[in-house]
Amino acid sequence: EDKVVQSPLSLVVHEGDTVTLNCSYEVTNFRSLLWYKQEKKAPTFLFMLTSSGIEKKSGRLSSILDKKELFSILNITATQTGDSAIYLCAVIVWGGKLIFGQGTELSVKP
Amino acid sequence: EAQVTQNPRYLITVTGKKLTVTCSQNMNHEYMSWYRQDPGLGLRQIYYSMNVEVTDKGDVPEGYKVSRKEKRNFPLILESPSPNQTSLYFCASSLTGQAGTEAFFGQGTRLTVV
Repeated sequence: EDKVVQSPLSLVVHEGDTVTLNCSYEVTNFRSLLWYKQEKKAPTFLFMLTSSGIEKKSGRLSSILDKKELFSILNITATQTGDSAIYLCAVIVWGGKLIFGQGTELSVKP
Repeated sequence: EAQVTQNPRYLITVTGKKLTVTCSQNMNHEYMSWYRQDPGLGLRQIYYSMNVEVTDKGDVPEGYKVSRKEKRNFPLILESPSPNQTSLYFCASSLTGQAGTEAFFGQGTRLTVV
């Protein structure tokens, strides 16, 4: 059975801290991995990763994929209260099916 | 403005009363899908559609039906809703499913079945 597992499930940090969110997967016919941020509404797209070892960056956020060890990490540096959200990892397999992890709930305290 | 529109946003209904949640996108996307989100379980895919008249089951299709008669619309039908279908539902679309392109989500429909 295809599955995606995120850790930790929840995390509380203070502004300025750096956080690393983890996503591991066991799927057949991997196509790509996506990260989303969800505040009190619909998820918004952050990154799509298809190749191993190539870091994607957007401001203070970055992500990388390891297809050999079957995981991805999402880093957030110099966290701000506006980073508080649920971060979702999802894997697309051939045929278009999308499998999400449980999400990591990040809370950034002032 | 590029968007995915779901209706209604909130719905309370009774067990067994058929309902439809509509989803429409204006981006000419081929791929559309439905998810439910429950605490501790994340987003789970219900059904997806790679193109018009092509639909496939996701992880939790029981109790749901979909149709894709035209590219822009992908309604979710609950023929006989039950309380365990109380959840937050999201519709999403992307250019193509195979390319793993960015998915745009609707604003969600909070459904309560009593």
